[in-house]
Parts: sequence; C-alpha cells; structure tokens
Amino acid sequence: DQQVKQNSPSLSVQEGRISILNCDYTNSMFDYFLWYKKYPAEGPTFLISISSIKDKNEDGRFTVFLNKSAKHLSLHIVPSQPGDSAVYFCAATLGSGNTGKLIFGQGTTLQVKP
Amino acid sequence: DAGVIQSPRHEVTEMGQEVTLRCKPISGHDYLFWYRQTMMRGLELLIYFNNNVPIDDSGMPEDRFSAKMPNASFSTLKIQPSEPRDSAVYFCASSLREGAPDTQYFGPGTRLTVL
Repeated sequence: DQQVKQNSPSLSVQEGRISILNCDYTNSMFDYFLWYKKYPAEGPTFLISISSIKDKNEDGRFTVFLNKSAKHLSLHIVPSQPGDSAVYFCAATLGSGNTGKLIFGQGTTLQVKP
Repeated sequence: DAGVIQSPRHEVTEMGQEVTLRCKPISGHDYLFWYRQTMMRGLELLIYFNNNVPIDDSGMPEDRFSAKMPNASFSTLKIQPSEPRDSAVYFCASSLREGAPDTQYFGPGTRLTVL
C-alpha cells in the first residue's frame, strides 16, 4: 500500500522554464512533508519541507505547495537549471511524537535541457 | 565530517549467498535508518535504530533480512540467503534528534545485484 505516490516517473523541461513535480498521499494523519533531491551515485539530500499548517513554503527558486483537502503537494522550480536534473522524492511523516520515520514516494526524474 | 559511509558501494552476488552491507553514521548522530530503493516502490524504510536499539523493523521484508547496530559507529544489514528480487540500492541514513525529519543525512548507497 503506497501511502505517498509520485505518478509521473519522469519530467523534461527547458532551461529557464518552470518545473512542476507532483505528489499525492493517502494518509490524512501526515502533517509534515519534505522533498529530497538525488543525483546519480549519491544519497538523497534534503531540499525543502512544509508543515501541514501552511499551504506554501518558498526557498529561493524552490516552492512547495500543499493542498490538504486534495491530499496533494507539488514542488515548483523557477527558473529551472540544468543542474536541477536529478531524481526528486517527496516524503511525508507524522509530526507529533515524530520518530523521524519518513514515507517516500517512488521518485520523479527531472531532466532540464539547456 | 565525512558524512555517512557505506560499504561496499557495489555488490554482485549469486542467489543463495549471504550479503552484508555496512554503514558508519555521522559521529554524534543517535538515529540510524536503513532504506531500500527500487523503481516500483521508491525509497522504503526497512528498519531504524535509536541509540543502537532497533525501534521499528516493520519494513524488513522477510526473515532473510536482519540488521544490527553493535555500537554507535557501526551498523550492518544482512541478507541470508539472497534472492534476485533483493536487487536494489540500499541506503543508510543518520540523524541527530527525534522530531526533525529534515535532518536525515543519507550515505551514497550500496547497489546490490543478485544473479
């Protein structure tokens, strides 16, 4: 049972344009969401997060949007750069009494073309 | 700090053989996590430790999988006997404190191929 789903295995965008990566979840108890970025032959690294009490969090070129009613979050990258080409994982966890246990999606491979 | 260290980086073995993956967490971190990455399921948490004690092993797929953390600086994930469906990338991660999911630091992973 996949509680966190990334339905698009891959995405290709032109440099300078917006990249939008999507993620859906099923567990309404999740109250903290994260995006991780992974380059080949490296481990995932934390990118940006959002608490369920917010609907938007921005960090430079990266913005995460959360729609709790739809159980959907998205990551926007503007403008996209070739160095953003990587696999992006969304993850969710339970905040209160959190043990640090993350539930990850399958990942979306982003390719930014020069 | 050197970050989380995993060895070997690549492992190719034959079905039925024992496989041992190793992890050295970041010094001072008291949580250690083992994940498995596959195309179909993404990153799955297998087991995690707090202060060397296993807390949640509900993600361990079968009795063929076992994990230990004999001290604060070393953990192993063992598969015995290995099967082709165990082929995946296995990640170890560590973190400093509870309640801070964005502080998990991942190692580079071990790519396991079981023939």
